[in-house]
Order: sequence, then structure tokens, then C-alpha cells
Amino acid sequence: DAKTTQPNSMESNEEEPVHLPCNHSTISGTDYIHWYRQLPSQGPEYVIHGLTSNVNNRMASLAIAEDRKSSTLILHRATLRDAAVYYCIPLEYGNKLVFGAGTILRVKS
Amino acid sequence: DVKVTQSSRYLVKRTGEKVFLECVQDMDHENMFWYRQDPGLGLRLIYFSYDVKMKEKGDIPEGYSVSREKKERFSLILESASTNQTSMYLCASRRQIGAYEQYFGPGTRLTVT
Repeated sequence: DAKTTQPNSMESNEEEPVHLPCNHSTISGTDYIHWYRQLPSQGPEYVIHGLTSNVNNRMASLAIAEDRKSSTLILHRATLRDAAVYYCIPLEYGNKLVFGAGTILRVKS
Repeated sequence: DVKVTQSSRYLVKRTGEKVFLECVQDMDHENMFWYRQDPGLGLRLIYFSYDVKMKEKGDIPEGYSVSREKKERFSLILESASTNQTSMYLCASRRQIGAYEQYFGPGTRLTVT
């Protein structure tokens, strides 16, 4: 499994964009990069995933570096409901999710 | 919307009891997973199943077994509960092997006394 490095915690103001970084320098060429988040007292929920190109969905955008050794999850306008632990997970095809410690995102009103 | 439900939100059992945790998904997913989550240790995979009657050990299978007799249901069994199995247990499902999202249930907080 590829190793990941994420900041322990980050803080953002409400209504502002948030960029959550992840380093995955040992990622293999076929590993998809998945992001999940876990809100307080809930199970994790899927946010987004990608392989090489940048990806957008209704929740967030995922920017993947050209060498694929890092990626950034972008929340365009943080709300209080986005306060959660965010996990970056390189996933081999067909393999199982391995959760690290993630980044605790705090959103201030 | 995919729904993954777990039989109980909170459960209290005594040491030595046999405990069943049930998980049901309603989207015909092939793959199902059981995790436990503990402070400081994060989410760890106990067992997973790629299809009916199939099961594979995850990272921490000791003290647990599983059953998948029907596609929609995946049960986690603690044969003889111990206090170190006090934890939050999370079930998840995924459509099939590949780069698909996993859907998680709300979790069962199990306390073994």
C-alpha cells in the first residue's frame, strides 16, 4: 500500500475555499486516489476519486499533480457542515481501503 | 441513494457472550466490509467479502468471524466477547471490485463489560 502524509489539522473560515493537501510519493501508476471524510459520530463518506486528471463533483474538486506524488482536495466554499476528518487513500485496483490518520478540518463561523 | 444499515447503534454485552452485528445494504453491491474504529488507531479492516459465501481476512481478524449467506447481508460475529473488543464497528459496501466508492453504515458502538 502506498504511504500518505497529510497535515494533522487545518482550520478554515466559513464561506472560504479550503485546500487539503496529501503526499503519496510511493503511489503506483495504477492506484486511484480516493478521498473520504468522516463527520462527527458518523461513518466515513465518499468524497471524490481520480487517477491522473483533475476531477470535479458536487462536493469537491480533486487536483492531482502531474507526477502523481501529491494531490489536493479543494472545497470551494467551506461550511460548518464540512468540519470533519478528511482521508486521502491511494487505492490499488480492486483492493481495500486503508485509512490513515487523516486531516481534522475545523471551520470557523 | 445507497443505504447501509446496521442492526444497532449501541450495544452492551458481557465478557464471554457471543455477539452478532448485522449489516444490510439495499443496492445489490457485491463487496461488503467490516471495520472497527478506535481512538488513536483509526479505522482498521476486520473482514471483507467480495461476494456471497466468500470472505477474506482483513488486518485484524483475530477474535472475529463473518457470515455472508445472502448478498445484501454481512454479519460480524464475536464468538466470545472480550473487553478489548469494545469499539465502534462500521460496515461498508461497494458495487464491485474496482475504483468504486464505498458506502458506510452509521456504526455500532459496542461496549463489552
